[in-house]
Amino acid sequence: AQSVTQLDSQVPVFEEAPVELRCNYSSSVSVYLFWYVQYPNQGLQLLLKYLSGSTLVKGINGFEAEFNKSQTSFHLRKPSVHISDTAEYFCAVSVDFGNEKLTFGTGTRLTIIP
Amino acid sequence: KAGVTQTPRYLIKTRGQQVTLSCSPISGHRSVSWYQQTPGQGLQFLFEYFSETQRNKGNFPGRFSGRQFSNSRSEMNVSTLELGDSALYLCASSLGQPTNTGELFFGEGSRLTVL
Repeated sequence: AQSVTQLDSQVPVFEEAPVELRCNYSSSVSVYLFWYVQYPNQGLQLLLKYLSGSTLVKGINGFEAEFNKSQTSFHLRKPSVHISDTAEYFCAVSVDFGNEKLTFGTGTRLTIIP
Repeated sequence: KAGVTQTPRYLIKTRGQQVTLSCSPISGHRSVSWYQQTPGQGLQFLFEYFSETQRNKGNFPGRFSGRQFSNSRSEMNVSTLELGDSALYLCASSLGQPTNTGELFFGEGSRLTVL
């Protein structure tokens, strides 16, 4: 079975500073990787996804992530954060192409300090 | 285009009762998935329906069930409620096609409290 580890449960960052949210996965088969964001009292929203091809994936709101197969990682980065980026971020993995069963990590709460 | 709509948004039940939650997907989406979100367990996959058929199922007891109607609307039911069923239940819809794998559009959830 596959699993996702988000080691950092909380990450405080000053406004306009860069941020990296870490995600590692475990799977014996090929994976498809996702980052979702959850703003307070809302559902989740897809930030970006990796299915195949280029290992550097760009998403919405200036976020990007890099798939590293050798390190089994899919870290999320943003060069300069804004107050509006305050939210919880979830990394997720799927091993089945064509269905929607995702395994989510426990989430990282990103807090932007003015 | 309207988003995913879940009803009710909040509900309180007592142990032993049952509950039905409803989800209306985005127009044109044929796949509906359900997830349970709790502080302790995080987000856990319950099941997915595609064209009225259950396509995938998570590791939940048989008290948790669902169905999908011909208009893609979905319902999930939890019978014989337990305190541990208190959670935010999230519904997500998608096109359900391979090239759109994992592109889920989530509703705001139904928050269930079991007393």
